[in-house]
Amino acid sequence: QQQVKQSPQSLIVQKGGISIINCAYENTAFDYFPWYQQFPGKGPALLIAIRPDVSEKKEGRFTISFNKSAKQFSLHIMDSQPGDSATYFCAASPETSYDKVIFGPGTSLSVIP
Amino acid sequence: DAGITQSPRHKVTETGTPVTLRCHQTENHRYMYWYRQDPGHGLRLIHYSYGVKDTDKGEVSDGYSVSRSKTEDFLLTLESATSSQTSVYFCAIAQGAPGGYTFGSGTRLTVV
Repeated sequence: QQQVKQSPQSLIVQKGGISIINCAYENTAFDYFPWYQQFPGKGPALLIAIRPDVSEKKEGRFTISFNKSAKQFSLHIMDSQPGDSATYFCAASPETSYDKVIFGPGTSLSVIP
Repeated sequence: DAGITQSPRHKVTETGTPVTLRCHQTENHRYMYWYRQDPGHGLRLIHYSYGVKDTDKGEVSDGYSVSRSKTEDFLLTLESATSSQTSVYFCAIAQGAPGGYTFGSGTRLTVV
């Protein structure tokens, strides 16, 4: 099974700071890279996603940076807020297949005042 | 959660007993999935369905079976529960591109 590696496992950021979570993949067939946000007691929710034809995608305070040659992508949360405290999962899938999504192990983010 | 209901939300069961978890969706989505979530492992696919009576195995299918007799219902059965199946179970539907899921709120299962 192809892996998606994710780091760090946990992250503490001051309010107003930048949170950065990194992921790396192996399978070059992956061509859709979503990020999920999960609050305690809830299911993961799709946050933002990118395809490899672009190097960056921004939605509000959330930005995905993508490096196709390095097979790495990262989530940046600008101006981090306590309400951003959650677990974040990166994932990767071939865009043509609905059964080959691989999730990273998750990063627990705590934003402190 | 976009019309996805999981039941029960919590369950404690004894080792060796059968357990069935239910996922119900109201939006006629074709693809449905069962995942388990464990610390350090992220989300791992157990089984998925691509239509009524059409199901297939995922990464961690041993000890689990599924059924989908109606579009709206996807059942996950643990034939004989073991302590290693203590986990949080999530149902999901596919929306948009593959990997773009909507998840239910989860079932926390404890096998004692």
